[in-house]
Amino acid sequence: AQRVTQPEKLLSVFKGAPVELKCNYSYSGSPELFWYVQYSRQRLQLLLRHISRESIKGFTADLNKGETSFHLKKPFAQEEDSAMYYCALSGGGYSTLTFGKGTMLLVSP
Amino acid sequence: DADVTQTPRNRITKTGKRIMLECSQTKGHDRMYWYRQDPGLGLRLIYYSFDVKDINKGEISDGYSVSRQAQAKFSLSLESAIPNQTALYFCATSDSPNFEQFFGPGTRLTVL
Repeated sequence: AQRVTQPEKLLSVFKGAPVELKCNYSYSGSPELFWYVQYSRQRLQLLLRHISRESIKGFTADLNKGETSFHLKKPFAQEEDSAMYYCALSGGGYSTLTFGKGTMLLVSP
Repeated sequence: DADVTQTPRNRITKTGKRIMLECSQTKGHDRMYWYRQDPGLGLRLIYYSFDVKDINKGEISDGYSVSRQAQAKFSLSLESAIPNQTALYFCATSDSPNFEQFFGPGTRLTVL
């Protein structure tokens, strides 16, 4: 079975502070990991996925297979980063996405 | 992303009523999904379909049914709605599980 854990329901930081949203997973094979974001009154959208190794809107995430983690990081938070962030895992093939429960990020001025 | 649309956007209904939520997509994707979003519980998969002839139960399918009328259309039905089905429902599409899922705007359903 695949499982995604996001231990923080809410993360509140000040503008300019570093941000790290934690994600841990449980999966016996080689997973594909994703971060999705949902801004207020907008639909869920892909932020980044580990296979692309991109930096999107200043966010990065590194897959650590030893620690089974895929934490999302940004060195300097902006107010427009305030949103709900979901970590998700796919086992590939005919599997589906399993989402974590989400972390609400609030960036205060 | 206007390529995935959901109707209705909001619906208030009473316990015991039959409700249908519709999803349409113009992305040409074979795979379609229905999720519900509840505060503190994240997104949970209700049903999914990998092509027109394929329907699969997700994590929380009890009390729900689906119909894949065409590649572009995937409907979710609540045969007899109950209050704990009050939630935000999302439809999504993808080319494959490892590719991006594109979400609709959501349907807010309230069951009184």
